Amino acid sequence: QVQLVESGGGVIQPGRSLRLSCAASGFTLSNYGIHWVRQAPGKGLEWVALTSFDDIKKYYVASVKGRFTISRDNRKNTVYLQMNSLKPEDTAVYYCAKDSYPTGTDSRGAFDVWGQGTVVTVSS
Amino acid sequence: SYDLTQPPSVSVSPGQTASIPCSGDKLGDTYARWYQQKPGQSPVLVIYQDTRRPSGIPERFSGSKSGNTATLTISGTQAMDEADYYCQALDISTYVAFGGGTRLTVL
Repeated sequence: QVQLVESGGGVIQPGRSLRLSCAASGFTLSNYGIHWVRQAPGKGLEWVALTSFDDIKKYYVASVKGRFTISRDNRKNTVYLQMNSLKPEDTAVYYCAKDSYPTGTDSRGAFDVWGQGTVVTVSS
Repeated sequence: SYDLTQPPSVSVSPGQTASIPCSGDKLGDTYARWYQQKPGQSPVLVIYQDTRRPSGIPERFSGSKSGNTATLTISGTQAMDEADYYCQALDISTYVAFGGGTRLTVL
C-alpha cells in the first residue's frame, strides 16, 4: 500500500546536526512533491520544507532557511531533511507528507499521504 | 507570514452538526484543505479543493467556502470524530500555511 516511513530522529544537543529520512513505497516517488511538516509538543502543525518531484524547486519556512536542506533520491525512493545548527525550538515530531501534485505548489493539490512521524528533541 | 484563523475549540452533541471556520485574507483566491488529527496519530486529509472529499472519508464530512472563509462541516457528528482539525492553504509568500487548529469535542 501507499506508505511513507520516517526515520533518523533522536535526542541531539543544540548546535549539532541530524538527518531525517522518509522512505516511500507503493507509489512512484518521482511523480510527486514531498513536504516535511513538524509539530512541537502540544502545538499545531507547521510546514517546514518542500521538494518538487525532480528536486529542482525547494522551499523552506523562514525559521529554518539556511539551516535545513531538503533533498531526494528518487532511485532510492527516499527524501531527506538535513538539519544543521539545531535549536531547542526545533524540537518536534517531524512528518513527511506526499503532495498529490508534482510541484507541491499547485493549490488544487493536498497532502494526501502522511508518515507516522519521527521525534526530534534538541536539548543539552 | 500568512495567517489562517480557526477557533481553538468547538463543542457538539452526538448526532448534531459541527461547523469549523477558517479565515484568511487571501483564502478566496486559493483552495482550502482540511486535515483531521486524532491524539497520537498522523494527520489525515478530509477535504481538498474547498469541497472535495478523498475516497474513504465519510459523507458526513463536507467543506464550503464563502469569500475568505472556508468551513468544515460534520453532519451527524459521532464520538469517533473527536479530534483536532487543521485548515491549510497555499500562499505565494509563505508557500504553505496551516491554521492554528480546532479541537472538536463531542459531548
